[in-house]
Amino acid sequence: NAGVTQTPKFRILKIGQSMTLQCTQDMNHNYMYWYRQDPGMGLKLIYYSVGAGITDKGEVPNGYNVSRSTTEDFPLRLELAAPSQTSVYFCASSPQETQYFGPGTRLLVL
Amino acid sequence: GQQVMQIPQYQHVQEGEDFTTYCNSSTTLSNIQWYKQRPGGHPVFLIQLVKSGEVKKQKRLTFQFGEAKKNSSLHITATQTTDVGTYFCAGSNSGYALNFGKGTSLLVTP
Repeated sequence: NAGVTQTPKFRILKIGQSMTLQCTQDMNHNYMYWYRQDPGMGLKLIYYSVGAGITDKGEVPNGYNVSRSTTEDFPLRLELAAPSQTSVYFCASSPQETQYFGPGTRLLVL
Repeated sequence: GQQVMQIPQYQHVQEGEDFTTYCNSSTTLSNIQWYKQRPGGHPVFLIQLVKSGEVKKQKRLTFQFGEAKKNSSLHITATQTTDVGTYFCAGSNSGYALNFGKGTSLLVTP
């Protein structure tokens, strides 16, 4: 099993550009999550999904969108990138409560 | 909403010294999880505590869950350089969404 994979590993965006962060898991987990981690801070939940076709907002959803068309994939969309979205983004999946994290995507918005 | 506070923010110890990080929740938790993140890496699940007053050990690591299920601690005996990283607690009272503390960054010097 590859576990949770994320692409890209690193990206630089200009203000106002859009992009999709990809997340795929091959463990057949129902639950998937997107977090952002800023320096010296913990993980803040952006969006989560309890199964294909179901998504819900977390603590910091503004400026982001998600979709969950399959069990495996949970992409995160940034429509109009802003400097405040510079962060490390982690995707995670879980069978119930224990979460398995991907390697992260480092995003820099200039 | 639920808040999870973690102290200290940083800890610098000499190899062989003990280390403890503490986690406090503003609300009663159904369970608490601990994760470790190595520098430049992603969070990795260590353990989950569910029962009031529960104590679990993993080699040199001892995890406790308070009687009121609102606090927890992680104690490392005789630290090693491989213990370097940030330790996060994450509390849950809704089953699937976790609230992460800001973490305690541990530096161990030989």
